[in-house]
Amino acid sequence: EPEVTQTPSHQVTQMGQEVILRCVPISNHLYFYWYRQILGQKVEFLVSFYNNEISEKSEIFDDQFSVERPDGSNFTLKIRSTKLEDSAMYFCASSQGDRGTDTQYFGPGTRLTVL
Amino acid sequence: AQSVTQLGSHVSVSEGALVLLRCNYSSSVPPYLFWYVQYPNQGLQLLLKYTTGATLVKGINGFEAEFKKSETSFHLTKPSAHMSDAAEYFCAVRGNSGYSTLTFGKGTMLLVSP
Repeated sequence: EPEVTQTPSHQVTQMGQEVILRCVPISNHLYFYWYRQILGQKVEFLVSFYNNEISEKSEIFDDQFSVERPDGSNFTLKIRSTKLEDSAMYFCASSQGDRGTDTQYFGPGTRLTVL
Repeated sequence: AQSVTQLGSHVSVSEGALVLLRCNYSSSVPPYLFWYVQYPNQGLQLLLKYTTGATLVKGINGFEAEFKKSETSFHLTKPSAHMSDAAEYFCAVRGNSGYSTLTFGKGTMLLVSP
């Protein structure tokens, strides 16, 4: 069964450093998403991406964040200058469509630890 | 605006007992409702979803949930718990206004004892 994959599973970085989290969505999906979950808190939406453009973003997704689909298979989240509060589990998801009925399929997550 | 409240961060049951995980939502538009499960070191897997039609929705692994509009609830149940059901369960809501965002609850960890 097709699945969303994410690398690395765990990333440790120093405050102020740039990190890139990588995702490979399901191959025939057109919509891509990033969510994050700070320990003990809710899973929060960050951004959605379609046709090489951001279609929605939350207040969390400020100028230090960017997303990119550099080739036909990868979808990346870049954090330009990490802060301690960026420590969280980051989930990538993909779906065929963006209707309310379309299921979003999630990857296993990348745990980001900022020291 | 949408929100989801899951009552109980941890629920403990014995193997064979009824599982009941509670979810209440608020939404300014008719909602689509989802339950996801996360097993250790794995991604969020869809258990079931309510979009339209029958309010009792059946999902994988014997789980089901009932959409009750009057109570703004979408509680998840399973008649008989298995050890393999131990995982974290997330309720989520999505509006039908064309926005793709899923709004999640904080999750409930289900613990199953022999």
